[in-house]
Amino acid sequence: EVQLVESGGGLVKPGGSLRLSCAASGFTFSSYSMNWVRQAPGKGLEWVSSISSSSSYIYYADSVKGRFTISRDNAKNSLYLQMNSLRAEDTAVYYCARAKSGSYVLFDYWGQGTLVTVSS
Amino acid sequence: DIQMTQSPSSLSASVGDRVTITCQASQDISNYLNWYQQKPGKAPKLLIYDASNLETGVPSRFSGSGSGTDFTFTISSLQPEDIATYYCQQYDNLPSTFGQGTKLEIK
Repeated sequence: EVQLVESGGGLVKPGGSLRLSCAASGFTFSSYSMNWVRQAPGKGLEWVSSISSSSSYIYYADSVKGRFTISRDNAKNSLYLQMNSLRAEDTAVYYCARAKSGSYVLFDYWGQGTLVTVSS
Repeated sequence: DIQMTQSPSSLSASVGDRVTITCQASQDISNYLNWYQQKPGKAPKLLIYDASNLETGVPSRFSGSGSGTDFTFTISSLQPEDIATYYCQQYDNLPSTFGQGTKLEIK
């Protein structure tokens, strides 16, 4: 069974940093592109970042480019999102999502999400 | 960025009804269009990919159609467990973008 479990969310002050993690199991992690997708409270879905299976290709939404860094450790079956210079508008539930085989951003499995709150 | 416009934004229907949601892209996205279901407090779930392909394990009452800029998502016979918010998503170009969602309620 495919499982994605996010962790690392919490309350952080504007300008602060946070590192999210996503532990994957139940599939060959190194064969799939992975993503972060976020959802502000009561709002819709926003794609944040993608990373290819071997980390060769990385993409970001303009809203986070230069502030967030996506990475992965295939030996540890883990995905990460380093978030710096956080703003109030980054407050959201952050989901880790697997991309369907052969795609970057067709999300076939999602984690349960981790809440990031940016507030003073 | 490609804008995705869903309608309606909310919908109330009775059990057994046929329900249709539309999604319009601001430019041609071929068939690179997916539909997700999100129940309250839960992660989204992929239902339809590439406009009309039913994801494995998804009930056949769900279907999708369309290409280019205009897409339709249909529930042939609404069930109580279908209460959720539904989102379309284009992935023809990055950034991948979602529609604003359609909240489906039981009448």
